[in-house]
Amino acid sequence: DADVTQTPRNRITKTGKRIMLECSQTKGHDRMYWYRQDPGLGLRLIYYSFDVKDINKGEISDGYSVSRQAQAKFSLSLESAIPNQTALYFCATSDSGRATDTQYFGPGTRLTVL
Amino acid sequence: AQSVTQPDIHITVSEGASLELRCNYSYGATPYLFWYVQSPGQGLQLLLKYFSGDTLVQGIKGFEAEFKRSQSSFNLRKPSVHWSDAAEYFCAVGANRGTGANNLFFGTGTRLTVIP
Repeated sequence: DADVTQTPRNRITKTGKRIMLECSQTKGHDRMYWYRQDPGLGLRLIYYSFDVKDINKGEISDGYSVSRQAQAKFSLSLESAIPNQTALYFCATSDSGRATDTQYFGPGTRLTVL
Repeated sequence: AQSVTQPDIHITVSEGASLELRCNYSYGATPYLFWYVQSPGQGLQLLLKYFSGDTLVQGIKGFEAEFKRSQSSFNLRKPSVHWSDAAEYFCAVGANRGTGANNLFFGTGTRLTVIP
């Protein structure tokens, strides 16, 4: 089984709808991250979490919120989706806060907002 | 501020040919540098990383990268490309914000096409 899983893998929704993307990990890592990937822009950090009590904004947090329900679960919500949130979303984990740490990525969720 | 530049958006090579993907970084402190690969429909997988020591780093799948501080570069190389290497490649710099955060700053990626 994969260490980092994301659901759903694909989602099409309409403008104004609320949507939640879920991430689960079995690696036992404290740190979890949400990124979005856009063509030509690489990956940009939306939110990150040190543990269940600690949530931090990344580079592009506007329009998004997150919830860390447990060490293993980190959800990303779009309260009112808009078309420019159409992107590929990745969840990632790491063992600690060291800048040398490897991050482990899920397979991604492709979100389309019409 | 930290940043990563990958000058080549798309590269096409023949199977068996050598490969070099370019990466330049900007970072005020000691850089921690990574190369990740994203195969079609997959998440990102670490190929290799550099944070100290020998400037030539060996990774998985026969890849290597060389850190050159004087050129602010961390180019990825492979002597003989296989068709399965077709993917998108991302260079990243790891920056610790001093609050316990380990954040990766990614380049825009280079898409590799391999022709038979």
